[in-house]
Parts: sequence; structure tokens; C-alpha cells
Amino acid sequence: GEDVEQSLFLSVREGDSSVINCTYTDSSSTYLYWYKQEPGAGLQLLTYIFSNMDMKQDQRLTVLLNKKDKHLSLRIADTQTGDSAIYFCAELNTGTASKLTFGTGTRLQVTL
Amino acid sequence: NAGVTQTPKFQVLKTGQSMTLQCAQDMNHEYMSWYRQDPGMGLRLIHYSVGAGITDQGEVPNGYNVSRSTTEDFPLRLLSAAPSQTSVYFCATQGRQGSYGYTFGSGTRLTVV
Repeated sequence: GEDVEQSLFLSVREGDSSVINCTYTDSSSTYLYWYKQEPGAGLQLLTYIFSNMDMKQDQRLTVLLNKKDKHLSLRIADTQTGDSAIYFCAELNTGTASKLTFGTGTRLQVTL
Repeated sequence: NAGVTQTPKFQVLKTGQSMTLQCAQDMNHEYMSWYRQDPGMGLRLIHYSVGAGITDQGEVPNGYNVSRSTTEDFPLRLLSAAPSQTSVYFCATQGRQGSYGYTFGSGTRLTVV
């Protein structure tokens, strides 16, 4: 079955780059997503990448996809205190009734 | 345009009580789902629906019932609450597959004592 793994915690200094990593097992994933969850809130879609892409950039966010290793990463440039949150990667396999499988989430802490 | 609305935001139940968590969407999305979020476990799928009249079980369905009589509403019922059901519950919808991902409600924090 599908399995998505992330490290639980990452701490970076304000202004540095953050890199959050994710591995997945389902080779038939069609879309991969990054969601952000701030304290007490729901999940907000940050960005996504289609499985036939290697990289996607959106302002301070860069998503890299290595299909061979089933590895997905999210780089946040010039990390700010407002970026402190939990970040979830998720994979979608359109063959399974559009169900998203989420990782456990990585808590990003930004220090001054 | 409210998106996905969940009620209530907070609830405390006694063991054995029943309740219904409400989820309503105004985006005409066909796909709706319920997740629970527990510390260190990410989000786990409870039940989902691909359209009115159609529901199916997810990863952790035991203790929960759902129905989908309209496109807009997808209530989650706890028949006899247990402390293990203490969690944050999220409703999510999806219209067009793929690039738009899911739209989440703001969550219901449930405590069972």
C-alpha cells in the first residue's frame, strides 16, 4: 500500500533556507502536494507537482521530485518566522478514488 | 463563498455519547472525505464519498458512520464515543482531480472523557 514518510522536526534560523524532505512508496502517484498547517488551523495547499515534472518553483518555494528514489523535497528560501508551521507532503493516486495519503508532517521551527 | 464549513469547532463528549460532526461545502465538489489528525501520525482517512449516495471506508472507519444524501453535506457520526476518538477531525473536498488538491475545513477538536 501507500506509505509516505517525513522527519518530524526541523529548526532553521530566520533568513536561512529550509529543506523539508519526504519519501513515498507508490510509484503510480500522479500528483504530489505540500500542505502547511498553522497552529489551530486546517491544512492549506502550498504547492503541488505533477509526477512527470522534476522541479517546480513558486516564489520562495521550490519543489524537487526524484521519481527514481521516490523522494520529494520542499525548499523555502529566506525562511521567515511566519513560515513556522507543520508541513505535510501528500501523494495522490487517481486510481484509488482520489484518496490522498499524507505523511506524518514536519514541524518547522524558525528561530531569530 | 464559504468553501468548506465544519461545525462545531470544539466538542467535549462523555464516553458512550453520540454526536454528529457536520461538514458542508458550497463548491459543488463531488469528492468529500473525513480525516482524523493525531500527534505524530499525520492525517488518517476515516470515510470518503465520490458523490451523493456513494460512501466508502478509509483507513480507520471503525466507530464512525457517514452518509451523503446531497452533494453539499457529508456528516460524520460517532455512535458511541470512546476516549480513543479524541482527536482533531478535518473534512476535505476535491472537485477537479489533481492540481487543485483538497480544500480543508478548519477542523473540529473533539475530546472524549
